[in-house]
Amino acid sequence: EPEVTQTPSHQVTQMGQEVILRCVPISNHLYFYWYRQILGQKVEFLVSFYNNEISEKSEIFDDQFSVERPDGSNFTLKIRSTKLEDSAMYFCASSTQKTGGQKKLFFGSGTQLSVL
Amino acid sequence: AQKVTQAQTEISVVEKEDVTLDCVYETRDTTYYLFWYKQPPSGELVFLIRRNSFDEQNEISGRYSWNFQKSTSSFNFTITASQVVDSAVYFCALSASSGGSNYKLTFGKGTLLTVNP
Repeated sequence: EPEVTQTPSHQVTQMGQEVILRCVPISNHLYFYWYRQILGQKVEFLVSFYNNEISEKSEIFDDQFSVERPDGSNFTLKIRSTKLEDSAMYFCASSTQKTGGQKKLFFGSGTQLSVL
Repeated sequence: AQKVTQAQTEISVVEKEDVTLDCVYETRDTTYYLFWYKQPPSGELVFLIRRNSFDEQNEISGRYSWNFQKSTSSFNFTITASQVVDSAVYFCALSASSGGSNYKLTFGKGTLLTVNP
């Protein structure tokens, strides 16, 4: 079965540094998402992306965050100046559904970000 | 706004016991979708099932079964004859289209299931 690939699996960074989390969605998918999960807490929606623009974003997704689909295969999440509270597991997801998120989301295995 | 409540934080059972994970949801939409995901210790999110709000037929898939009841806004998940490999965190999630927000899943806090040998 095709899968969403995320790299790296673990990322350690210093507070204030920029990080880029990378994702390769499933090739024929049209909708892309980032979610995060702070240790021991629930999975939270960050942003959805369709047709090369953000469809929706949550309150968490402030000016420090940005997403990009630079080359038609990768989907990246950039955090400009990391804070301690950005430490979390970040999940990328994609889906085929043209009308929204009701179809099954395929999740990647996550990138564990640790901000020191 | 959508909300998903999983009242059980942790459940511990002995292998071969049946276990039911509860999920209660809130939405004002008449069209919505409910999901269950499994997160094993390795961390990935594994899709288990999706139901739409118009289909209240309960479903059985192997040892898994789901009981969707709109009257009580519940979507409970039962594992029959549990196995150690079922140990994981299980998340219930809701996707609804109110206000155009039909792109995202709202997750519950998850239930940690531990199946002991």
